[in-house]
Amino acid sequence: RKEVEQDPGPFNVPEGATVAFNCTYSNSASQSFFWYRQDCRKEPKLLMSVYSSGNEDGRFTAQLNRASQYISLLIRDSKLSDSATYLCVVIPGGSYIPTFGRGTSLIVHP
Amino acid sequence: GAVVSQHPSWVICKSGTSVKIECRSLDFQATTMFWYRQFPKQSLMLMATSNEGSKATYEQGVEKDKFLINHASLTLSTLTVTSAHPEDSSFYICSAFGLADPQTQYFGPGTRLLVL
Repeated sequence: RKEVEQDPGPFNVPEGATVAFNCTYSNSASQSFFWYRQDCRKEPKLLMSVYSSGNEDGRFTAQLNRASQYISLLIRDSKLSDSATYLCVVIPGGSYIPTFGRGTSLIVHP
Repeated sequence: GAVVSQHPSWVICKSGTSVKIECRSLDFQATTMFWYRQFPKQSLMLMATSNEGSKATYEQGVEKDKFLINHASLTLSTLTVTSAHPEDSSFYICSAFGLADPQTQYFGPGTRLLVL
């Protein structure tokens, strides 16, 4: 089993739709979790950290489920500009080195 | 947020050439920087962890003699691809910890290397 797994997609949704991605991780001692966004041919940029209690930033909601070892990202009211690859990042317990998921591609169409 | 720069952003070179890529933390000191490589439609692959003042730690399968890393100061790490070949063509990205949250990665804009 890979350390961090994501469905590569693509998720093809219309503007205004709500879309959710999951990311599973194998190391139960993992402590830190993040969602990054990567646009085509660009570097990843931090979208949001994922806290144990869940957190929201505008149209974006991130949640952590430790029991099932996954994190999720929910995007409401999708915009065309949300089209990108969303990378799940996990920092395993006892390490400061992040592990990246393969990324989930989102395409928002008019 | 913290700013990380990379130079050059594009490199096109002939096979056998050595290429140096610089990664700088502009507004903070980074004792640790990471070097990643990303092939098209694939995830970022960690190549090595660059530690200021000491030898880099390379991931399994990454040739340390081919990918030379130097982290001589708290704001600069360099990756040199020695005797580059076409299969080394890739997107090379560095990252460093930010000040506010030492576990948050801030990435440089990346360097696209094309070896002919």
